[in-house]
Amino acid sequence: DAGVTQSPTHLIKTRGQHVTLRCSPISGHKSVSWYQQVLGQGPQFIFQYYEKEERGRGNFPDRFSARQFPNYSSELNVNALLLGDSALYLCASTPRVLTNEKLFFGSGTQLSVL
Amino acid sequence: AQSVAQPEDQVNVAEGNPLTVKCTYSVSGNPYLFWYVQYPNRGLQFLLKYITGDNLVKGSYGFEAEFNKSQTSFHLKKPSALVSDSALYFCAVRDIGSGGYQKVTFGTGTKLQVIP
Repeated sequence: DAGVTQSPTHLIKTRGQHVTLRCSPISGHKSVSWYQQVLGQGPQFIFQYYEKEERGRGNFPDRFSARQFPNYSSELNVNALLLGDSALYLCASTPRVLTNEKLFFGSGTQLSVL
Repeated sequence: AQSVAQPEDQVNVAEGNPLTVKCTYSVSGNPYLFWYVQYPNRGLQFLLKYITGDNLVKGSYGFEAEFNKSQTSFHLKKPSALVSDSALYFCAVRDIGSGGYQKVTFGTGTKLQVIP
């Protein structure tokens, strides 16, 4: 079975631009979460989506948005990019919105903002 | 809010020696604790978790962790380190947000360097 897949793997943008990152969860998983990992820090929670609805949001500005599609894949959108948005963006999937089990992570999208 | 702390930015250990990566936690209620490992340019891989039960938890690749409620610690251990264990290790705690969503709060990470 395929794991969590993310695309693209690397991306270079300039300040002020917009970016869309994509994630496909493990088959059968209905929840997708997004995390931002800045170099030298641990991942920080951005969003959780379940059954196409936003269930939770971390402390990120409104420039960050996301959506989940009927096939449970998800997109993360970031508008008006800032240099500080440079980070590894990780997608994780789980079967349900709440679980005692692990998060299944993709390999991430490395975003560089110049 | 739940939180974890990893007091060491880097741990160096000789190959074959035991290793310990430290983590302390601060939670309200019962802790749901995890350890993840990250190799360069990769996502996070699950090592082990503590939900309830035995204080010594066994996980992947020969790793184990000891849950200590009185010291609010959840240290990661391995009896004999391998060079291939060199990576970035994250302690994490599960939190439930208002409205019933799940988020995981990660520590700042500890870089483990195993010296041949």
